[in-house]
Amino acid sequence: NAGVTQTPKFQVLKTGQSMTLQCAQDMNHNSMYWYRQDPGMGLRLIYYSASEGTTDKGEVPNGYNVSRLNKREFSLRLESAAPSQTSVYFCASGQGRANQPQHFGDGTRLSIL
Amino acid sequence: GQSLEQPSEVTAVEGAIVQINCTYQTSGFYGLSWYQQHDGGAPTFLSYNGLDGLEETGRFSSFLSRSDSYGYLLLQELQMKDSASYFCAVRAFSGNTPLVFGKGTRLSVIA
Repeated sequence: NAGVTQTPKFQVLKTGQSMTLQCAQDMNHNSMYWYRQDPGMGLRLIYYSASEGTTDKGEVPNGYNVSRLNKREFSLRLESAAPSQTSVYFCASGQGRANQPQHFGDGTRLSIL
Repeated sequence: GQSLEQPSEVTAVEGAIVQINCTYQTSGFYGLSWYQQHDGGAPTFLSYNGLDGLEETGRFSSFLSRSDSYGYLLLQELQMKDSASYFCAVRAFSGNTPLVFGKGTRLSVIA
């Protein structure tokens, strides 16, 4: 039972490079989410997809784009990476209902030099 | 918008009881959740309160008072493995909307 799978687990980029973070879930969840986590800042929502075919901005969307490829997959793209985007990125999925939890992947640790 | 306040750090002794508080301000409210995250790991779900009162799951309990916009996580019989960060989170709207997380409380359990 894989749950939520993120690739890659680690990545180092140079400023200005582009990169796509991949996320897939096998729990048949409708909703998927991308968060970033910085020290002392908790989890901040970048983008989410409430259902297949829809995407919405979260708290910190600038510098990112997303694609809900199908029900299972939700990717996050950095078009021109900046040092401020150095962070740990978590993908999550859930049914989107109040009493249903969000399930998180193991994270992608991204460093931008 | 939504905002959640929780202490940044708490230290407690092994075997003791610790309470982590969370106050929130939201434009709507559809429940308070708690997540645990060990260093280097992913957040994992601990508990959910949709209605006022206490929910118990083993050594962990969570409480909610909607009239006070306040909740807490209670950890009993603390173990070293409970050392982690704990996040409260709210879902402010119905439907398929994401959780909004607090900044987290880092719990250190000492011998």
